[in-house]
Amino acid sequence: KAGVTQTPRYLIKTRGQQVTLSCSPISGHRSVSWYQQTPGQGLQFLFEYFSETQRNKGNFPGRFSGRQFSNSRSEMNVSTLELGDSALYLCASSRDGSSGNTIYFGEGSWLTVV
Amino acid sequence: KQEVTQIPAALSVPEGENLVLNCSFTDSAIYNLQWFRQDPGKGLTSLLLIQSSQREQTSGRLNASLDKSSGRSTLYIAASQPGDSATYLCAARNSGNTPLVFGKGTRLSVIA
Repeated sequence: KAGVTQTPRYLIKTRGQQVTLSCSPISGHRSVSWYQQTPGQGLQFLFEYFSETQRNKGNFPGRFSGRQFSNSRSEMNVSTLELGDSALYLCASSRDGSSGNTIYFGEGSWLTVV
Repeated sequence: KQEVTQIPAALSVPEGENLVLNCSFTDSAIYNLQWFRQDPGKGLTSLLLIQSSQREQTSGRLNASLDKSSGRSTLYIAASQPGDSATYLCAARNSGNTPLVFGKGTRLSVIA
């Protein structure tokens, strides 16, 4: 079956712009989580959505937002981009987000802010 | 607040060697701990999941152990191969629906 799909894979944006990243979870998975990965900070949790509701949120500024649609697809948006937002953004899905479920990651969206 | 540390940041070994990767966590009240593998430019692949009630899990040449009292987990790789070269990350979860807290990973190079 198809894995977690993230689009776009690579993008370059200018400071001050905004960006939207998309994630399609594995069919039947209702939990989608987003992580930011940078060389300095490693993997940091952004937020998790389950059944269109944000269930958990990490310590990121309000410029980072997300949503989940009724088909479980999720988008995250970053407004007023800063150079420090350059990172690999990873999406992960699981059946219901509980600890017993295996979590599957997409290949990520590489964002470069110039 | 849970913090996860992985030392060393990088490790290079000759092919065929058995090796151990280390992971330490500050809050021993974890729910479970997972080990992942990440190839360059790729997402993460789950390797092993150890529940708090378990001491170890095995999959093929991989064996992960968990010692909550000391706040440590290890990933043992037997008979390493060049294809094992990747970054290995561990992640702790403190309760059923809380997010994973990741270490920064150990970059493993297996030299043929």
